[in-house]
Amino acid sequence: QQQVKQSPQSLIVQKGGISIINCAYENTAFDYFPWYQQFPGKGPALLIAIRPDVSEKKEGRFTISFNKSAKQFSLHIMDSQPGDSATYFCAARGGTDAGKSTFGDGTTLTVKP
Amino acid sequence: DTEVTQTPKHLVMGMTNKKSLKCEQHMGHRAMYWYKQKAKKPPELMFVYSYEKLSINESVPSRFSPECPNSSLLNLHLHALQPEDSALYLCASSSGTLTYNEQFFGPGTRLTVL
Repeated sequence: QQQVKQSPQSLIVQKGGISIINCAYENTAFDYFPWYQQFPGKGPALLIAIRPDVSEKKEGRFTISFNKSAKQFSLHIMDSQPGDSATYFCAARGGTDAGKSTFGDGTTLTVKP
Repeated sequence: DTEVTQTPKHLVMGMTNKKSLKCEQHMGHRAMYWYKQKAKKPPELMFVYSYEKLSINESVPSRFSPECPNSSLLNLHLHALQPEDSALYLCASSSGTLTYNEQFFGPGTRLTVL
């Protein structure tokens, strides 16, 4: 049973545009939601994370929006740049296996110059 | 030092070989992880060590054998692997295994089993 569903699978955006990636979760015990960025041949790196007591968190061009009632969260990348081209994974943690991350399937973002 | 290092970067092995993957961190973290990642898929958790003790084994086949010699080092011993075990093997570490303890990933070892 997939507990975190991520969409879209791939995304192409023009330079300067807004990239939006969505995730939905099922387990109400989840209480930490990180986003990871992964470049080819590299390990995932934490981009930004949110806890469910806030509805939005912004760090530079990256914003997480969180809707607890809908059990959905999304990543917005403003002013997308070619260097943002990577695979993005949402994740969720919490409950009985607190340190164990449940990942979405990933979104491959391509930003065209 | 905020880095997790992994060696080797690439490994090619036959199905009868024995090899080991190594991971090291000097951030004082007390939790270390092994993940397997297939192409275009998310990382899959294999093992978690907390304070040098194995705390999670995600029903991984016995041909994969983890070892945590000390709080800075994590090894993954490989024996009699199958071609379907070819993947990127990622090590990660965190200060603990609580929900908010962020995991730092290494660059991975690209394993090919012939």
